[in-house]
Amino acid sequence: SAVISQKPSRDICQRGTSLTIQCQVDSQVTMMFWYRQQPGQSLTLIATANQGSEATYESGFVIDKFPISRPNLTFSTLTVSNMSPEDSSIYLCSVDGLAGVRSYNEQFFGPGTRLTVL
Amino acid sequence: AQRVTQPEKLLSVFKGAPVELKCNYSYSGSPELFWYVQYSRQRLQLLLRHISRESIKGFTADLNKGETSFHLKKPFAQEEDSAMYYCALRLGGTSYGKLTFGQGTILTVHP
Repeated sequence: SAVISQKPSRDICQRGTSLTIQCQVDSQVTMMFWYRQQPGQSLTLIATANQGSEATYESGFVIDKFPISRPNLTFSTLTVSNMSPEDSSIYLCSVDGLAGVRSYNEQFFGPGTRLTVL
Repeated sequence: AQRVTQPEKLLSVFKGAPVELKCNYSYSGSPELFWYVQYSRQRLQLLLRHISRESIKGFTADLNKGETSFHLKKPFAQEEDSAMYYCALRLGGTSYGKLTFGQGTILTVHP
């Protein structure tokens, strides 16, 4: 299995500011994803973080609003830019496909970052 | 487009009673389905996957392609089963790895 940590675990931010969320994995992984869970809602995929290239965004999400970096196989960041109260959510990273290990078809999730925008 | 539907937002049963959490899906490709669980103040974790046909914590789920369903069942619910349960569909092809989640079902098992 993979151990995933996220920083910060929670934050309260002012409207118009930006927050960068970090996701660190204890082993190299093939795929990393970012999800959003709005209050009372299910998880929605924001984007796939691609190592060494631009992230692949889902419909309704754009790079200017949610820039993503993935400099290596164990780390990724998601920035929530120019925040508004509607961005208040839990943001989760997940990983799939431990590099060099036979895939068990399991996706592991981080603990999430709870963001509140005032 | 793919979709996962969990018709029950809330489900309450008494300890020892059978429980079934419903999940239906629509997907043009070959489906890979999972059940995830989130206990209070814990992270989302995999409960079981259809491909391995295993039983975890007494839960089972059978993929029924004819009815496009993947219902989660347990014959005798326990209080510690109280949690949020998500059914998820994993995409294949060029979208491999992406998960589409249902809305989730909050299961409460009363003593």
